[in-house]
Amino acid sequence: QVQLQESGPGLVKPSQTLSLTCTVSGGSISSGGYYWSWIRQHPGKGLEWIGYIYYSGSTYYNPSLKSRVTISVDTSKNQFSLKLSSVTAADTAVYYCAREYSSSSYLDYWGQGTLVTVSS
Amino acid sequence: QSALTQPASVSGSPGQSITISCTGTSSDVGGYNYVSWYQQHPGKAPKLMIYDVSNRPSGVSNRFSGSKSGNTASLTISGLQAEDEADYYCSSYTSSSTPGVFGTGTKVTVL
Repeated sequence: QVQLQESGPGLVKPSQTLSLTCTVSGGSISSGGYYWSWIRQHPGKGLEWIGYIYYSGSTYYNPSLKSRVTISVDTSKNQFSLKLSSVTAADTAVYYCAREYSSSSYLDYWGQGTLVTVSS
Repeated sequence: QSALTQPASVSGSPGQSITISCTGTSSDVGGYNYVSWYQQHPGKAPKLMIYDVSNRPSGVSNRFSGSKSGNTASLTISGLQAEDEADYYCSSYTSSSTPGVFGTGTKVTVL
């Protein structure tokens, strides 16, 4: 059973960089066939795809966030990470990591989510 | 890339059937059989309920079924139960420049 767990600060100051890590257990990031994704959900709102990474390091970002987002992977630790720069209050959200089946774009395993609040 | 359009809310009595629609375009829902549906209870992560339009993952009740016609996909919940009360989101692969696109979400209420 694949499990994903987000970790990182729950409070980030405006203009700083939000950094989160997703640790994968029960399966290898390097096994291929899946994208490793970040999705966020603003309080009381819908889901927004941030982007994803393949184990090889190939990335794909939402154009609305592309200038501020970096997703990276550490296969030795079976982790992938999200960095979002120059954050504002509008980036306050629950951030989820998830596994996406690459052939048809569905997210079959999700982390529990972590609330990140942007505030001074 | 605009979000897929879903009704804000749908309700039904226990035992009834309800259907949630998800309308997109030929660049997403209509162009590919890669529509998925997620159930989200308050404070919880979304859970995959349907993938590739009509397939159920192992462990998901057969009361949940999916279909698609043109640019609109649908999720039907039959034999509605109290535990089905949740938010539901559709999602689709898209040929636009985004990783994927979600629906606006539908709140299901069991009366």
